[in-house]
Amino acid sequence: SFELTQPPSVSVSPGQTARITCSGDALSKQYAYWFQQKPGQAPVMIIEKDNERPSGIPERFSGSSSGTTVTLTISGVQAEDEADYYCQSPESGYVYWVFGGGTKLIVL
Amino acid sequence: EVQLVESGGGLVKPGGSLRLSCTASGFNFNSYNMNWVRQAPGKGLEWVSSISYGSGHIYYADSVKGRFTISRDNAENSLYLQMDSLGAEDTAMYYCARDQRPQGMDVWGQGTTVIVSS
Repeated sequence: SFELTQPPSVSVSPGQTARITCSGDALSKQYAYWFQQKPGQAPVMIIEKDNERPSGIPERFSGSSSGTTVTLTISGVQAEDEADYYCQSPESGYVYWVFGGGTKLIVL
Repeated sequence: EVQLVESGGGLVKPGGSLRLSCTASGFNFNSYNMNWVRQAPGKGLEWVSSISYGSGHIYYADSVKGRFTISRDNAENSLYLQMDSLGAEDTAMYYCARDQRPQGMDVWGQGTTVIVSS
């Protein structure tokens, strides 16, 4: 299986832009997905297929991909965006899924 | 309303067994692949197992292979996870998640807690 690597934490002031990276060899060939998880809640998918926002997700969330790294960008960060963020990608053929270790977004 | 509701979690002794259930509503259950994902206390998400919409394709994480069995009953809109030979490392919140490839895991339940302890 492959691994996805995320920074443990990212800090940002309200109104600023937060960028969370996820690296892994498989990302050059497979889609990436991003999930937001707030304390005591189930994960919510906020980005699908590298850069698409599911219905109901605010426009300030965006995704991008370059080679073996994908990036979640949160523009105009709000206090409510403080959460854990996980990247995810399928193994080739969607036989199994891999999650990154998660990044805690701290809104200062 | 599209919804997944897990049940069956609880406290079990090491070496014991437990069967989790996930009941779906608000969508055509038999058209979706389904997954179990778990999260140990204070840790990240770990994919556990997946089953295709017709049960023809079943996969497990290495950490549970040979001990856990995923199944589904499309007539009952239900997903199951039979967990045997449980160890402390299986203590976690267990989530079921709908899987619409390539759109991904777009709907999750609220989870059910499994605690393995003597």
